[in-house]
Amino acid sequence: KNQVEQSPQSLIILEGKNCTLQCNYTVSPFSNLRWYKQDTGRGPVSLTIMTFSENTKSNGRYTATLDADTKQSSLHITASQLSDSASYICVVSSTGNTPLVFGKGTRLSVIA
Amino acid sequence: ETGVTQTPRHLVMGMTNKKSLKCEQHLGHNAMYWYKQSAKKPLELMFVYNFKEQTENNSVPSRFSPECPNSSHLFLHLHTLQPEDSALYLCASSKTGSGRPDTQYFGPGTRLTVL
Repeated sequence: KNQVEQSPQSLIILEGKNCTLQCNYTVSPFSNLRWYKQDTGRGPVSLTIMTFSENTKSNGRYTATLDADTKQSSLHITASQLSDSASYICVVSSTGNTPLVFGKGTRLSVIA
Repeated sequence: ETGVTQTPRHLVMGMTNKKSLKCEQHLGHNAMYWYKQSAKKPLELMFVYNFKEQTENNSVPSRFSPECPNSSHLFLHLHTLQPEDSALYLCASSKTGSGRPDTQYFGPGTRLTVL
């Protein structure tokens, strides 16, 4: 069964600290993996997208990694800011017309 | 702003009411989607429209009825809903909904409460 598991479910960190969010998936055959940020009361916004051949991609203070062999991805946030408080959703897609498989998300709270 | 707008942003309705959710995209995309987001659950894909044609219906109850008059507009007609239908309903669009999946751009959602 195609699944995406994210951990931790929620996380609280101090402003300025780094953190890493995890995503494990069983989707096959793999096409690409995306990380989305969803602020409260808003729709998800794409942060990164990685295909099979890419193992790291950065977007400002966000760096995503992908290990297609172990089917794991991580999202590392550097020097966190209060505005990073949001849900981070991992989404994996398969080749062809298979629907995207969404994780439940990690709720990150950055506090002063 | 992602280029995808949704109205209304909030909706409270009784189980016997009929209402409609509206989505509009200004990105020139050809595919549009409806998702349901419930608390502590992954996003659930409901419907996919590609070039105004419905290409996916993920076993959604008939009390939800989508309509796509053109590539820029998408509606979700609601009637005789149940309290468990209360959720955030998200609309998204992408360049194309067939072949290789591409990045979807989401609207802000409609927070629906069914009493």
